[in-house]
Amino acid sequence: EAQVTQNPRYLITVTGKKLTVTCSQNMNHEYMSWYRQDPGLGLRQIYYSMNVEVTDKGDVPEGYKVSRKEKRNFPLILESPSPNQTSLYFCASSFGTSLYNEQFFGPGTRLTVL
Amino acid sequence: QKEVEQNSGPLSVPEGAIASLNCTYSDRVSQSFFWYRQYSGKSPELIMSIYSNGDKEDGRFTAQLNKASQYVSLLIRDSQPSDSATYLCAVNPLSGYSTLTFGKGTMLLVSP
Repeated sequence: EAQVTQNPRYLITVTGKKLTVTCSQNMNHEYMSWYRQDPGLGLRQIYYSMNVEVTDKGDVPEGYKVSRKEKRNFPLILESPSPNQTSLYFCASSFGTSLYNEQFFGPGTRLTVL
Repeated sequence: QKEVEQNSGPLSVPEGAIASLNCTYSDRVSQSFFWYRQYSGKSPELIMSIYSNGDKEDGRFTAQLNKASQYVSLLIRDSQPSDSATYLCAVNPLSGYSTLTFGKGTMLLVSP
């Protein structure tokens, strides 16, 4: 089944404890992206990657890191999480980098930072 | 700042009615437009894409695009209670790659 997977789906952690949220897609997609979704603010892009070893900042990159060492994986790293990073996180991917490629979303990771 | 605007709703319609969801965008050079449906606590699910002026129909869904007015809409015919969700409008504001700007969504409530 073609899909985007994220792990963990739910995470409660404490301020300052490094964490990684994994994202993997099995569709051979070139483009991958991370979003966070907060009430009243909608979906906001954190980072995106157009291909292996190519990443760039989105609208809200502060406090996050990413890497793209393999085409299928795009982990999101929070080196020192803070309570304002409590949010619902989505990974998404699309086939290519042309205008017309629809993005497909993973199931989401609900993160709570205490 | 490139923006995508949607009425937050909720838009309430009775079962069987036509639901009309609207979206405006600020970047005149935008070329591709998408509608996603999101149930509470779930991930956005792509339901329609449109790239040319006019209408595009898929089952009960019709997307309408007017680039001159910078306006895109989604019509849902014969609305069902299962259509109750938040509908996100997304716009690709730049040429060359798949970055999307999302509106904040319109909540649709379909009452039996």
